[in-house]
Amino acid sequence: RKEVEQDPGPFNVPEGATVAFNCTYSNSASQSFFWYRQDCRKEPKLLMSVYSSGNEDGRFTAQLNRASQYISLLIRDSKLSDSATYLCVVIRPPLLSGGSYIPTFGRGTSLIVHP
Amino acid sequence: EAGVVQSPRYKIIEKKQPVAFWCNPISGHNTLYWYRQNLGQGPELLIRYENEEAVDDSQLPKDRFSAERLKGVDSTLKIQPAELGDSAVYLCASSGGRSTWNEQFFGPGTRLTVL
Repeated sequence: RKEVEQDPGPFNVPEGATVAFNCTYSNSASQSFFWYRQDCRKEPKLLMSVYSSGNEDGRFTAQLNRASQYISLLIRDSKLSDSATYLCVVIRPPLLSGGSYIPTFGRGTSLIVHP
Repeated sequence: EAGVVQSPRYKIIEKKQPVAFWCNPISGHNTLYWYRQNLGQGPELLIRYENEEAVDDSQLPKDRFSAERLKGVDSTLKIQPAELGDSAVYLCASSGGRSTWNEQFFGPGTRLTVL
């Protein structure tokens, strides 16, 4: 099983739709969680951190479910400009003892918003 | 403020040749990361530096990959000799601040093609 798993999609939605992505992680001791956005042939950029209590930033809502070991990203009122790949990042413990926590990216979920 | 700078942006080499990538992080950022991103996948951490110390290189293929950050500022990642499977985008990122895990700022990457 992969450390961090995401449905690659693509999710094809019309403008104005609400869309949600999940990201599951395997190590229950994982420490911190983030969502990054990556446009085609560009570098990833931080979209938002994911807090235990959940957090919202405009049309975007991120939630963490530690019991089921997944994080989610909800996008409301989708815009054409939201079309991108959404990468989840999990800060997980090292595989070997004595190492440091490792930022581990999922493969990303592709979102296409059409008119 | 200048972002993370990487060079070259593109590199095409034949297998068994050496190649080097350079990264200059955002001024004042102590933490520097090197990632490799294959097509359709998320970035995979190769090595992380805190100042000039490599604090995590467990995922760096040490038989052919090496990295250095001698003065705790800019960094070089080298592959010698390159193999066909090394074709990927090599991303450098940096982060700063007091928290253990802060936003990572990525450079534009170096797209390597090994023929």
